[in-house]
Amino acid sequence: AQSVTQLGSHVSVSEGALVLLRCNYSSSVPPYLFWYVQYPNQGLQLLLKYTTGATLVKGINGFEAEFKKSETSFHLTKPSAHMSDAAEYFCAVVEYGNKLVFGAGTILRVKS
Amino acid sequence: KAGVTQTPRYLIKTRGQQVTLSCSPISGHRSVSWYQQTPGQGLQFLFEYFSETQRNKGNFPGRFSGRQFSNSRSEMNVSTLELGDSALYLCASSSQRTGWDIQYFGAGTRLSVL
Repeated sequence: AQSVTQLGSHVSVSEGALVLLRCNYSSSVPPYLFWYVQYPNQGLQLLLKYTTGATLVKGINGFEAEFKKSETSFHLTKPSAHMSDAAEYFCAVVEYGNKLVFGAGTILRVKS
Repeated sequence: KAGVTQTPRYLIKTRGQQVTLSCSPISGHRSVSWYQQTPGQGLQFLFEYFSETQRNKGNFPGRFSGRQFSNSRSEMNVSTLELGDSALYLCASSSQRTGWDIQYFGAGTRLSVL
């Protein structure tokens, strides 16, 4: 079974600072990896998706993620945090079919 | 283009009752998946329907069931509600055109069991 581990249930950054949210996956085959964001009282919105190919994936709202097979990691970054980035972020991997396996989530707080 | 619509947004039920939640996927999307989100267990896959057939199922008891209609709308039913069923239930849809693995989520139905 696939699994995803997100390091840090809460991350706090100052506005304008680098955002780094960590995700490690366990998969014996090349994974399909995703980052989703959830704002309060809303569903999940896809930020970006990795399939085989380029290791640096660009997403919406200035986010990007780097796939590192040697480290089984897929960390999410954004060079400069904005107040509107405050939300909960989920890393996910496709297990089979359309079944997504999610990490526990990381709540991002942005301080002014 | 309308997104995934889930109704109702909020529900309050008592233990032992049953509940039905509805999901209308994005027009043209034939795959509908359901997830349960709780503070303790996080996001967990319930099941997926495609062309009125259940294609995948997660590790939930038989009290959780679903179905899909010919217009791709889906419902999930929980019978004999337990306190632990209190959760946000999310529906997601996908299509071949946009990629089966790209799932679009609704805002969810928040179920409270008293």
